[in-house]
Amino acid sequence: SQKIEQNSEALNIQEGKTATLTCNYTNYSPAYLQWYRQDPGRGPVFLLLIRENEKEKRKERLKVTFDTTLKQSLFHITASQPADSATYLCALVRSTGFQKLVFGTGTRLLVSP
Amino acid sequence: GAGVSQSPSNKVTEKGKDVELRCDPISGHTALYWYRQSLGQGLEFLIYFQGNSAPDKSGLPSDRFSAERTGGSVSTLTIQRTQQEDSAVYLCASSLQERGGLDTQYFGPGTRLTVL
Repeated sequence: SQKIEQNSEALNIQEGKTATLTCNYTNYSPAYLQWYRQDPGRGPVFLLLIRENEKEKRKERLKVTFDTTLKQSLFHITASQPADSATYLCALVRSTGFQKLVFGTGTRLLVSP
Repeated sequence: GAGVSQSPSNKVTEKGKDVELRCDPISGHTALYWYRQSLGQGLEFLIYFQGNSAPDKSGLPSDRFSAERTGGSVSTLTIQRTQQEDSAVYLCASSLQERGGLDTQYFGPGTRLTVL
């Protein structure tokens, strides 16, 4: 069956370090992959999108990589700040146009001062 | 401009009662989605609207769940004869659904439903 896995354990890092979160998927051929941030009591907020033919995407302190051979995406936050503490979700989509987002369970990131 | 809004923010109900959850999408967004997020679980797709029609209802967990959208805008998710396992946060999202484009969804804050 199709599966999207994110590390369920919280990731604790110190301020200023780079946080790396992993999203692995099986039995899926996504056209693109998205990363969202979710704060407690709030809905997810879109951060970055990467297409299947892109290896890497950057936005300010954020970087996403997409390896369709490994079936894995990595999400990096450089120079992390306590304000980056949140749950980060990856979501896969099979094609352009409408497709329901299939979400991973998310990884909680805690950045300590 | 205004984002996606949902009401109520919290709803506590007794088992067996019916509940209605409302979603106001971003103005001009043609696509609307409902998801459910249970404690410790990922977001689970429920239903998708394109305009007022629902091409994909595959995620509705049972016939107790239904949804409608009127005027290409507001949507209501109805759960009949609620059960304790229906307790979750119900999230609504909307998107522009540009033809051939990449579909970025904008989420509301959710409605936390507790069934006692």
